[in-house]
Amino acid sequence: QITLKESGPTLVKPTQTLTLTCTFSGFSLSASGVGVGWIRQPPGKALEWLALIYWDDDKRYSPSLKSRLTITKDTSKNQVVLTMTNMDPVDTATYYCAQKTSGSYYGWGQGTLVTVSS
Amino acid sequence: QAVVTQEPSLTVSPGGTVTLTCGSSTGAVTSGHYPSWFQQKPGQAPRTLIYATSNKHSWTPARFSGSLLGGKAALTLSGAQPEDEAEYYCLVSYSVAWVFGGGTKLTVL
Repeated sequence: QITLKESGPTLVKPTQTLTLTCTFSGFSLSASGVGVGWIRQPPGKALEWLALIYWDDDKRYSPSLKSRLTITKDTSKNQVVLTMTNMDPVDTATYYCAQKTSGSYYGWGQGTLVTVSS
Repeated sequence: QAVVTQEPSLTVSPGGTVTLTCGSSTGAVTSGHYPSWFQQKPGQAPRTLIYATSNKHSWTPARFSGSLLGGKAALTLSGAQPEDEAEYYCLVSYSVAWVFGGGTKLTVL
């Protein structure tokens, strides 16, 4: 059974850096073709794709946010970490991580709501 | 960055058929864009219904199908049920990144 869970601060101040961790089980990020991605959703708005890291450390970023995002993995801990710099109130959203395998975003975490406010 | 467009809202009668579409600002959506479809109900995480144009997961109800239609990706619901009322998002791959559409709110009424 594949499970993913996001963790991190629920409240960050403007200009701070957000660090989110996705801890997963039921699959290995060492397996060929597997990736873990991050997606966010502002309250009442659409999903927005952010970043993805593959088993071979290939990394992909949303062009519009690339300068602010860093995605890394710790295969031994079954974790993927997303950092986003210079947080702004417009970055308030529920942040999801999801497993990508065989062409599909197969499993999703429950999401974690991050509020940006002073 | 490419823009992916979906109908903002659609309504279907119970038992009826409806097609949601997903277009790209860069031109026709093809199988090479590996379009996926997600269903999201209020307060829940999205779940994947369709991937790589037309592939289903084990949990995807048979009444949902994916295809390419007139230069767009399409999600067809045949025999709508009340529980299909939800927001539906498409996701398109542009090789270096993925882009979600703005979502379609589907009402079953």
